[in-house]
Parts: sequence; C-alpha cells; structure tokens
Amino acid sequence: LAKTTQPISMDSYEGQEVNITCSHNNIATNDYITWYQQFPSQGPRFIIQGYKTKVTNEVASLFIPADRKSSTLSLPRVSLSDTAVYYCLVAQTGANNLFFGTGTRLTVIP
Amino acid sequence: DTGVSQDPRHKITKRGQNVTFRCDPISEHNRLYWYRQTLGQGPEFLTYFQNEAQLEKSRLLSDRFSAERPKGSFSTLEIQRTEQGDSAMYLCASSFRASGEFLYFGPGTRLTVL
Repeated sequence: LAKTTQPISMDSYEGQEVNITCSHNNIATNDYITWYQQFPSQGPRFIIQGYKTKVTNEVASLFIPADRKSSTLSLPRVSLSDTAVYYCLVAQTGANNLFFGTGTRLTVIP
Repeated sequence: DTGVSQDPRHKITKRGQNVTFRCDPISEHNRLYWYRQTLGQGPEFLTYFQNEAQLEKSRLLSDRFSAERPKGSFSTLEIQRTEQGDSAMYLCASSFRASGEFLYFGPGTRLTVL
C-alpha cells in the first residue's frame, strides 16, 4: 500500500477555498487516489476519486499532477459544516485493505 | 435503503468480558468490511467478507477477535476477554463493487473497556 502524507490540521474561514495536499511518492501505476470525509462519531464518507489530471463533482475537485506523486483536494467556499477530518487514500481498485492514515483535521472558523 | 447500520452504538464493558457487535450492510451489498478506529487515528482494516466467506484478515485481528457473516447478510464481530486496549470505535462498511467510490460506512460502535 502506498503511504500518504497530509498536514495534520488546517484552519480556514467560512467562504474561503480550502486546498489540502497529500503526498504519495511511491504511488503505483494501478493505484487510484480517493478522499474521504469523517465527522465526529460517524463513519468516513466518500468524497471524490481520481487517477490523473482533474476530477470535479458537486462537492469538491481533485487535482493530480502528471507524476501523480501528490494530489490536492479543493473544497470551494467552505462552511462550518465542512469541519471534519479528511483522509487521502491510495490503493488499487479492488483493494480490500484500505490505509487511512491520520488524515487532516479541517476547522472552519466563522 | 437506510444505509449501513450497527448495533449497539455504544458499549461499556469490564475488562475480561466478551462483547459482540452487529452490522447490517446495505441490502444486496456482497462485500462487508470491519475497521477499528482509535482516538486521533484513521480507521484500520480488520477483516473483509465477500458474501459469507471471510477472505482477508489483518494481523490486528488477534485470536480474541472473531467475525462471522453466516448467511452473507449481517455480520457479527466478537471480542473475547476484552482488554483496555480494545477500547475504540468499530466501524463496519459495505459495498457492491471493489472500489472506494462505492464503500459505505456505518456509524460505528464505540467500545469502552473499563
């Protein structure tokens, strides 16, 4: 499993765009990059997944450079309800043993 | 469809007691996972079922832990002779495809061992 490195915590004001970068230097050719969000006392929830370039959905965007050694989760105009822990995962499609790491604790400030 | 459910949501037990947790996956999801999460850490994989077959187990799953999925629907996780180090959130997840995009987690069972 490719190891990931993320900032432990980040603070942002409401309405700002938040970018969380994840490093995964030993990502393999068959690995996908997946981000999850977790609120206190809840299980993680899928946000977005990508392989290369850019992926966008109604919640976030995911930017992946050509070398795929890092990725950036972008949350547009965050609100207080976006306060959560965000996990970056790297794994092959079909992997059952997902490695979550410690994640990034995002705190949105009014 | 109400998602993955887990019961109980909270369990307090004394050291040495046995505990059992139940997970009801989203119906028709043939894949079921158990994870454990301690304070300040991300979830750690424990075990994986495809239908009723337990296909993968983590080294974290010691001999005191046993998981079953007898009819390929709900699953149980039993911990025998609990230890204080077993205190954690136990998360269940299910999916119908082998991709993180389709993995749905339950709310978890928080275990406190006194």
